[in-house]
Amino acid sequence: QSVLTQPPSVSGAPGQRVTISCTGSSSNIGAGYDVHWYQQLPGTAPKLLIYGNSNRPSGVPDRFSGSKSGTSASLAITGLQAEDEADYYCQSYDSSLSGFWVFGGGTKLTVL
Amino acid sequence: QLQLQESGPGLVKPSETLSLTCTVSGGSISSSSYYWGWIRQPPGKGLEWIGSIYYSGSTYYNPSLKSRVTISVDTSKNQFSLKLSSVTAADTAVYYCASSPGDCYDYWGQGTLVTVSS
Repeated sequence: QSVLTQPPSVSGAPGQRVTISCTGSSSNIGAGYDVHWYQQLPGTAPKLLIYGNSNRPSGVPDRFSGSKSGTSASLAITGLQAEDEADYYCQSYDSSLSGFWVFGGGTKLTVL
Repeated sequence: QLQLQESGPGLVKPSETLSLTCTVSGGSISSSSYYWGWIRQPPGKGLEWIGSIYYSGSTYYNPSLKSRVTISVDTSKNQFSLKLSSVTAADTAVYYCASSPGDCYDYWGQGTLVTVSS
């Protein structure tokens, strides 16, 4: 059971918009800690997609965007493309116990 | 840009200690701008943060693994290492090393599969 909750799967047709949610609590996202998003293509290492809730590293298309509100965050992908099919993970910091970094359980995006 | 590469045995026996090393190139591990971390992913499952280290030696561990984990840094070799003791089959995973400018991980190694089996 992950501290950050993501839907196991989402899907969309090419060109459509999809969103992936990441729900936390008052000890992580709700405490004001930043949320980051990673894309993991099959058989590869995760790649940083969004950092600091809504910032894109150089080279990440502006089709990807992030937002955060209260105890949740969201990743939106517009103009869905076949190559977007991947696993997506959110990540934040949790201040419970002695404090630690946490990942969501991951969401499998299928492009129909 | 930074490049990270994991190395170490791909097979470890139950109850023994898993040892991995991450070699950093393209930058100094002594940089005050970075933390260095280990993340693992069991086959078919999600990511789990193991721990991080600062070049000064300050360490931060996942509470669920803290009793078994040691992360260290060797600035002379531009490397940092992971030791996980008393391993079981549940520790079978792809182990990634990664760099962190704060609390996200911006550069990752390719990952190395470690299987715990007799």
